[in-house]
Formats: sequence, C-alpha cells, structure tokens
Amino acid sequence: DAGVIQSPRHEVTEMGQEVTLRCKPISGHDYLFWYRQTMMRGLELLIYFNNNVPIDDSGMPEDRFSAKMPNASFSTLKIQPSEPRDSAVYFCASSLGGGIGTGSYNEQFFGPGTRLTVL
Amino acid sequence: GNSVTQMEGPVTLSEEAFLTINCTYTATGYPSLFWYVQYPGEGLQLLLKATKADDKGSNKGFEATYRKETTSFHLEKGSVQVSDSAVYFCALTGTASKLTFGTGTRLQVTL
Repeated sequence: DAGVIQSPRHEVTEMGQEVTLRCKPISGHDYLFWYRQTMMRGLELLIYFNNNVPIDDSGMPEDRFSAKMPNASFSTLKIQPSEPRDSAVYFCASSLGGGIGTGSYNEQFFGPGTRLTVL
Repeated sequence: GNSVTQMEGPVTLSEEAFLTINCTYTATGYPSLFWYVQYPGEGLQLLLKATKADDKGSNKGFEATYRKETTSFHLEKGSVQVSDSAVYFCALTGTASKLTFGTGTRLQVTL
C-alpha cells in the first residue's frame, strides 16, 4: 500500500485566497483525522471522521475552516479565506477500527503533510 | 480533560549515549499510551505503545513502561545513533479514538 497520500506537499498562497488540502487514506481504513502542526501550538487535532461522517470537529479553529469526506477514499480540508496565522503543516492520518467507547486503539498512519504558507 | 506533558528539548547527545525523554500524563480512566517519532520532512510514525499499567512497549531499541502510580511513560534507549535524530511525541488516547499529543521533544545525536 502507498500509505496515506496528501497533496499538495507545499502550498504558498496570499492572504484572502481559498486553500484546499487533499487526503487519500489507506484503503480499508474507516477513520480519518486532520491535524495541524505549528511551533507555537504543537500538534492539534482539527477534526476526525468515521465511515465518512464527521465525529468531532471541536478542534476546527473557526468558520473559515471546513472539512469534507465525500467517500471512503478522499477527504478535503478547506480554508476560506486564508490568513497568515494559518501557516502550518497539515497532516492527515487514517486508522482501522478503534471504535469510540471500546477503549481499543488502532494505529494511526500519518501522511507526509502539506506545508502551507500564507503570505 | 486529557493532557500530556513531556520534557522540552532540544536534547543533544553523543552517539552511543543513553537517552531518556520524560513524559507524564493526566487522564480519566485507563488510557493507552504511545510514543510517535517524526523524522525530518516526514509525518509521524508509531514507535511503540502500551495499553495497560505495567506494560512495556519496545521497538528499535527504544522502551517505555506504563507507570500508573506515577502517571508516566518515559522513553529510553541504551545507545542512541545519529539516525535516531528526530522529534519524539508522547501521546495518549482514552475512550475515543483520538490522540492527545505532547508538544514533542527534539533529539539531536552527534558523532
């Protein structure tokens, strides 16, 4: 398997522009996670999906951020309009199983990340 | 809520030195504990895990023991190599599938 695939790997845009980050999870995985990593705040969970349904979006910073998962093999994270403080590395991760409330955990596999710079 | 505290870096060691990276946690119930590693320019990879008290996770010469009495999960390696240079994240998960990460500790190993 190719692992979790993210595109683009690098994105440079100007303030006010719309940015769309893409993720293809590992085939067969039923959980998908979006994280943001910055020097100031470390690694933050933004949102996660189970079977394409958003489960917890409490980490999404504000209404400018939105995420979708139209099918099991694709997810997007959109920022509109973008601001310089959104500059960060955005990671997508996927896992199999580990249902909520079961206490079990299945390894999250991370993509290589998208480095976003908003000027 | 859940939280993870790990020692600040960077940690700089000579090759073959002993490594300890401290990690303590706060959580309700009985979380599972993890160490992830991030090599330069890459995403995070699971290094090791422990799912219950007194479990020892190990991988690639790294070890960590789940200590419930001290709420700790310190990472150790007896002899580090230059190739171990990376950022190490301690993390936990509770009843949900999401991870809570520490801030990360950068390790730099020199010849």
